[in-house]
Amino acid sequence: AQSVTQLDSQVPVFEEAPVELRCNYSSSVSVYLFWYVQYPNQGLQLLLKYLSGSTLVKGINGFEAEFNKSQTSFHLRKPSVHISDTAEYFCAVSEIRNTGNQFYFGTGTSLTVIP
Amino acid sequence: EADIYQTPRYLVIGTGKKITLECSQTMGHDKMYWYQQDPGMELHLIHYSYGVNSTEKGDLSSESTVSRIRTEHFPLTLESARPSHTSQYLCASSEGTGGWETQYFGPGTRLLVL
Repeated sequence: AQSVTQLDSQVPVFEEAPVELRCNYSSSVSVYLFWYVQYPNQGLQLLLKYLSGSTLVKGINGFEAEFNKSQTSFHLRKPSVHISDTAEYFCAVSEIRNTGNQFYFGTGTSLTVIP
Repeated sequence: EADIYQTPRYLVIGTGKKITLECSQTMGHDKMYWYQQDPGMELHLIHYSYGVNSTEKGDLSSESTVSRIRTEHFPLTLESARPSHTSQYLCASSEGTGGWETQYFGPGTRLLVL
């Protein structure tokens, strides 16, 4: 079975500073990768996804992520964070099975932007 | 923006009560999912459906049941709520197949069983 590891459970960062949220996955087979954001008292919202092609993926709100197959990583980055980026961020992996895709989620990283 | 709705958003209920968490989507998606989310934990898949009259249990064992009589509706029922059922429940639906499949989530139902 797939496992998704988000190494940092909490990341505090000052406003306008850059941030990187780390994600590693275990599977050696072809997978598809996602980052979701969850604001307080809301559901998960898709930030970006990697399916194929360029390893650098751009998403909403100025976020981007880079797929590194050799390191089985999919780290999320933003060059300058805003207060409004304070939220929980989840990395997810989709593994294709005969019966359909199976999604696996990491435990989440809580990003706190400090004014 | 995804159109997927969950009601109630918050529910406090006593042990032994029967409850139904509602989930509806207006996007015509065939696939729908229920996840359980606890603080600091990954999302756990408890039920999923690939279409009308199709329901399957997920990886995490759950005492809840689901039904899928209509494409847009995927309710989750607990016949007798217990404190161990306290959690946040997220409903999702998805479009596409293979690598193009993307899940869209509802706002969640936060359940507290006393």
